[in-house]
Amino acid sequence: ETGVTQSPTHLIKTRGQQVTLRCSSQSGHNTVSWYQQALGQGPQFIFQYYREEENGRGNFPPRFSGLQFPNYSSELNVNALELDDSALYLCASSPLTGVNTEAFFGQGTRLTVV
Amino acid sequence: DQQVKQNSPSLSVQEGRISILNCDYTNSMFDYFLWYKKYPAEGPTFLISISSIKDKNEDGRFTVFLNKSAKHLSLHIVPSQPGDSAVYFCAASNFGNEKLTFGTGTRLTIIP
Repeated sequence: ETGVTQSPTHLIKTRGQQVTLRCSSQSGHNTVSWYQQALGQGPQFIFQYYREEENGRGNFPPRFSGLQFPNYSSELNVNALELDDSALYLCASSPLTGVNTEAFFGQGTRLTVV
Repeated sequence: DQQVKQNSPSLSVQEGRISILNCDYTNSMFDYFLWYKKYPAEGPTFLISISSIKDKNEDGRFTVFLNKSAKHLSLHIVPSQPGDSAVYFCAASNFGNEKLTFGTGTRLTIIP
């Protein structure tokens, strides 16, 4: 069974640029969520995708957008990068929406905006 | 507004003793609670969870206690081992919404 994998592991971007982060969900999981973890903080929910549709969004501006593909993999896109976007971005997958179950996390992508 | 709070940023415990990590929440709609463990350069790893219909759940060395009236949960690790040294996050969600709300974490250090 393959776990949640994210790419790239590290990324450096310049303020104002755009970035795309990728996530492959665990086999059999149809729900993908994205979280931002700033230094010294807990992960903050960005949004969730279920069957290719956005299924809930946290308090993040529209320049944070996402996609989910038919194979349940997902992308997180951030436009007009700001210095405060520097963080660890975590992808999590879970098997079913509407049922309380644990989410399984990838290793994260460390984004640095300079 | 921090809906899930872990008021102890760090905790040091002697190997073999009990580690107790605490978590408080303010949102009474939360009905599912989880603990995750995180090593540096890795994603959070699920440890144990508890539904609001229970007040205790055990899994090996790990036990989670839930006090709904106090809106408080705790994670007990006994006996503590050096490999338990990590950052522990408490998280909460409400039924049908798998968005997790995390606390800020507690760094646990097990002293050999």
